[in-house]
Amino acid sequence: SQKIEQNSEALNIQEGKTATLTCNYTNYSPAYLQWYRQDPGRGPVFLLLIRENEKEKRKERLKVTFDTTLKQSLFHITASQPADSATYLCALDAGNNRKLIWGLGTSLAVNP
Amino acid sequence: DAGITQSPRYKITETGRQVTLMCHQTWSHSYMFWYRQDLGHGLRLIYYSAAADITDKGEVPDGYVVSRSKTENFPLTLESATRSQTSVYFCASMGLGGGYEQYFGPGTRLTVT
Repeated sequence: SQKIEQNSEALNIQEGKTATLTCNYTNYSPAYLQWYRQDPGRGPVFLLLIRENEKEKRKERLKVTFDTTLKQSLFHITASQPADSATYLCALDAGNNRKLIWGLGTSLAVNP
Repeated sequence: DAGITQSPRYKITETGRQVTLMCHQTWSHSYMFWYRQDLGHGLRLIYYSAAADITDKGEVPDGYVVSRSKTENFPLTLESATRSQTSVYFCASMGLGGGYEQYFGPGTRLTVT
């Protein structure tokens, strides 16, 4: 079955630097991959979706890459701010039925 | 208000009791999902629904029942609550378009004593 691995250790970076989070998967290549943000006590919020035929997607300070050969997605936040501190979840499609498989998430702390 | 809501936000119940968690969305999204989130397990799918009167099991359906008589509502019932069902429960919805992104409710924190 498909498995997803995200950095289990929290990532601490200085304000203004670029944060890079990793999502690795095994087995089949998903048709698309999504990134969500989750704040404590709240539900996940959708950020970006990238399809298997796309290498890179950008939205404001966010950038996602998708390497189907390495079976990896990288999520970048440039010019990071303390408000970017949250847990970031990676999710892959589980086939043709609209279900998602979720990673455990990586906690990001941006220090002022 | 527009969006996806869950009620109650917090619930404490005793082992063996029946509990129903409510989920309501105002977007007329076709798909709705119930997840539980536990430390070390991440989000796990309990049940999902592709449309009214169409539901299917997810990864961890045992001990749960769902129904979907109306597009906007997707209640989750724990028929006889157990301590292992102590968790945070999230409802989500998704439209039929090509976006595939899911929109989550605020969650219900359930404690079974």
